[in-house]
Amino acid sequence: AQKVTQAQTEISVVEKEDVTLDCVYETRDTTYYLFWYKQPPSGELVFLIRRNSFDEQNEISGRYSWNFQKSTSSFNFTITASQVVDSAVYFCALSGGNAGNMLTFGGGTRLMVKP
Amino acid sequence: EAGVTQFPSHSVIEKGQTVTLRCDPISGHDNLYWYRRVMGKEIKFLLHFVKESKQDESGMPNNRFLAERTGGTYSTLKVQPAELEDSGVYFCASSRYSATGELFFGEGSRLTVL
Repeated sequence: AQKVTQAQTEISVVEKEDVTLDCVYETRDTTYYLFWYKQPPSGELVFLIRRNSFDEQNEISGRYSWNFQKSTSSFNFTITASQVVDSAVYFCALSGGNAGNMLTFGGGTRLMVKP
Repeated sequence: EAGVTQFPSHSVIEKGQTVTLRCDPISGHDNLYWYRRVMGKEIKFLLHFVKESKQDESGMPNNRFLAERTGGTYSTLKVQPAELEDSGVYFCASSRYSATGELFFGEGSRLTVL
């Protein structure tokens, strides 16, 4: 069985602070994919990133960066110099290599960035 | 390019009534998925269409839920009869490829069963 845990249900920061959203996963698959999605107030889930289990390189995209560590089964997401527009619910998700796009989601972390 | 659209955005019905949710995927996306989030729980997979065929419906909770995708275009998800525990947000997503490609989600349809 697959499981994704986002222990932080809610985080509040002040604008320009850095913030890290934690994600820990469980899977028996040797090949799997990890995702982060953002859910702004409008409701849709916006794709942010996908990583496969064979690629442990960290990735940076502007103010966003992701740290994938297989040794600790974690795929953490850091926002540098947070902005009010970053306020949203962020979901970490996992899919097995043979499961197509059947995603297992974590419970989400609500991030509030205050001006 | 239009995104995934869902209708209605919010539906309030009484227990025992029927509700039909609609999803229009992105044009050209053969893969269509339904997910839902009930109050306080994670977003859960319901089913996956490839064109008009059900590829995986392992997440459908029971036979009160019926999903169709006639002609391989838009999809409907009917709940009949609705129960209180069906309340939640129903998300539709589409993708061009099924092999763990990027999913494009709609804004969701919020269902409230009273």
